[in-house]
Amino acid sequence: EVQLVESGGGLAQPGGSLRLSCVVSGLSFRDSWMHWVRQAPGKGLVWVSRIKSDGSDTIYTDSVKGRFTVSRDNAKNTLYLQMNSLRAEDTAVYYCATDWFGATDNWGQGNLVTVSS
Amino acid sequence: EIVMTQTPLSSPVTLGQPASISCRSSQSLVHSDGNTYLSWLQQRPGQPPRLLIYKISNRFSGVPDRFSGSGAETDFTLKISRVEAEDVGVYYCMQATHMYTFGQGTKLEI
Repeated sequence: EVQLVESGGGLAQPGGSLRLSCVVSGLSFRDSWMHWVRQAPGKGLVWVSRIKSDGSDTIYTDSVKGRFTVSRDNAKNTLYLQMNSLRAEDTAVYYCATDWFGATDNWGQGNLVTVSS
Repeated sequence: EIVMTQTPLSSPVTLGQPASISCRSSQSLVHSDGNTYLSWLQQRPGQPPRLLIYKISNRFSGVPDRFSGSGAETDFTLKISRVEAEDVGVYYCMQATHMYTFGQGTKLEI
């Protein structure tokens, strides 16, 4: 059974930092492209970032460029999202997901990040 | 940036009847490799999204055959042949040809 378990969310102050983790099991993590997707309360899905299987290539949505950094540790089957200079509009549930022919097939349960003073 | 526009945003449906959701992209989703990376996801209340369809019309593993996808270039459709109660939720299209973008979502309600 494929499992993606996110952690690291919580409350952060504006301008603060958080690091999300996503531990993947049940599939070959080292061969999988990975995504971060977020969903503000009551809103739709927004794609955030993608990293290729060996970590060689990363891309971001414009609103997080320069503030968020995606990385991975294939030895630990873990995906990360380092979030700096957080803003109120970054408040959302953050999901990690695996890539399947450009789609997102396996999803974690989500991790709530709240940015508030 | 590619803009994905779904219609309708809300769709009241009747159990056992068909339903259809449209997704239009602001430019062609045909990739230079010849594939069209358009997928459909379902999000039931309180759940993470679930992949239904990838590359326009390929049903993902375990997805009932009442779900089907079609379309080309900029216009795509998700059809449910006979709506069941478990189909209630929000449906999203997503493109992966030019970066990645989701549609706004369509709420399917009985």
